[in-house]
Amino acid sequence: DGGITQSPKYLFRKEGQNVTLSCEQNLNHDAMYWYRQDPGQGLRLIYYSQIVNDFQKGDIAEGYSVSREKKESFPLTVTSAQKNPTAFYLCASTLAGHLSTDTQYFGPGTRLTVL
Amino acid sequence: AQSVAQPEDQVNVAEGNPLTVKCTYSVSGNPYLFWYVQYPNRGLQFLLKYITGDNLVKGSYGFEAEFNKSQTSFHLKKPSALVSDSALYFCAVRDPRWGGGGATNKLIFGTGTLLAVQP
Repeated sequence: DGGITQSPKYLFRKEGQNVTLSCEQNLNHDAMYWYRQDPGQGLRLIYYSQIVNDFQKGDIAEGYSVSREKKESFPLTVTSAQKNPTAFYLCASTLAGHLSTDTQYFGPGTRLTVL
Repeated sequence: AQSVAQPEDQVNVAEGNPLTVKCTYSVSGNPYLFWYVQYPNRGLQFLLKYITGDNLVKGSYGFEAEFNKSQTSFHLKKPSALVSDSALYFCAVRDPRWGGGGATNKLIFGTGTLLAVQP
């Protein structure tokens, strides 16, 4: 988990609310990723960013939004349009988004629960 | 379609015995393969990866993995299991599809295998 921090560790949301999950890295990595983890489904990619001020949709982007204004930060907003947001959210980063041999390193995760 | 399969939801092994966690893949082109481990309520920790070269890859905590191109497999192994190895293990392959104007480091993950090591 070293070098990538996620906050908060636990988050509770009421239906209809937007919430923002924080992800910060001090590894000087160019690329950052957001995944959602549900039991028995592995990890699914929500959004990714290969460089500052640019990001791309992953496989399950509906109901989520991101920004990449700084190299070290990639916050994820879970909007009220996301129908089933309760999950474990993981942020990851790699040194360079275009070098396919780079390893992705993960943060400790945020567990979001909708009340 | 690009995919990764982990055929076993759970693997049980006695402490001191060898362990194997299976992974098969289907991707176009040369596969870049990864193994990660996850402890409860924690992020994923990188164990090892295969990019090219020797088919036997050695990684962290005594784990190794064998790349077999003909069987499209990348099984994780350890000669002697420890109770502390009990965790959820994920196999992943780099997605060869381009996005955003270039190659990416997107990963496709398997569904995970829970390893339970009994004392």
